[in-house]
Amino acid sequence: DTGVSQDPRHKITKRGQNVTFRCDPISEHNRLYWYRQTLGQGPEFLTYFQNEAQLEKSRLLSDRFSAERPKGSFSTLEIQRTEQGDSAMYLCASSLARGDSGNTIYFGEGSWLTVV
Amino acid sequence: AQSVTQLGSHVSVSEGALVLLRCNYSSSVPPYLFWYVQYPNQGLQLLLKYTSAATLVKGINGFEAEFKKSETSFHLTKPSAHMSDAAEYFCAVSPKHGGSQGNLIFGKGTKLSVKP
Repeated sequence: DTGVSQDPRHKITKRGQNVTFRCDPISEHNRLYWYRQTLGQGPEFLTYFQNEAQLEKSRLLSDRFSAERPKGSFSTLEIQRTEQGDSAMYLCASSLARGDSGNTIYFGEGSWLTVV
Repeated sequence: AQSVTQLGSHVSVSEGALVLLRCNYSSSVPPYLFWYVQYPNQGLQLLLKYTSAATLVKGINGFEAEFKKSETSFHLTKPSAHMSDAAEYFCAVSPKHGGSQGNLIFGKGTKLSVKP
């Protein structure tokens, strides 16, 4: 079991550019989550998928943010027209949902975004 | 809406001393409760979780937490601090029911420093 992996680990981009982060969950996990963490704060939930279906996306910060999980395996989080306020760590996590929301959620190492 | 409050953004203890990190939650129904640890520039690692079995939960690295419904608390303790415990600790809740089932709501975190 290789755990949740995220790529890239660090990204520096100019304001106005688009960025995309990739997440590969633990292989048998059917749920995949995206969180954002800014300095001095706890992670903030953005969106999640169960298999390929995006079941919650109202927490995405603006319409510049979008996420996909086309085949129910890996996922991408795209931020269009980046702003300096988007600078943060973007965390991906996965879990095995079996109707019990107490299932453990496993986090990746995170992708740091710096917008200059 | 559910929320988590962690009292004390920074706690400092001496090596060998008791560690006590406080967490209170607000929910009309006791949720699932979690403690995660985050080392610098890394993702989150689960320490322990409460899912309505025993109220005293034992986790990894000698940590434990006690769920107290009357106090809406889930404080994290460790009898004897080790230098390697220095990290940031996050308390999180997950509702048992409803549309947000399975998603974690985090506190702002408590940074633990351990003095030699």
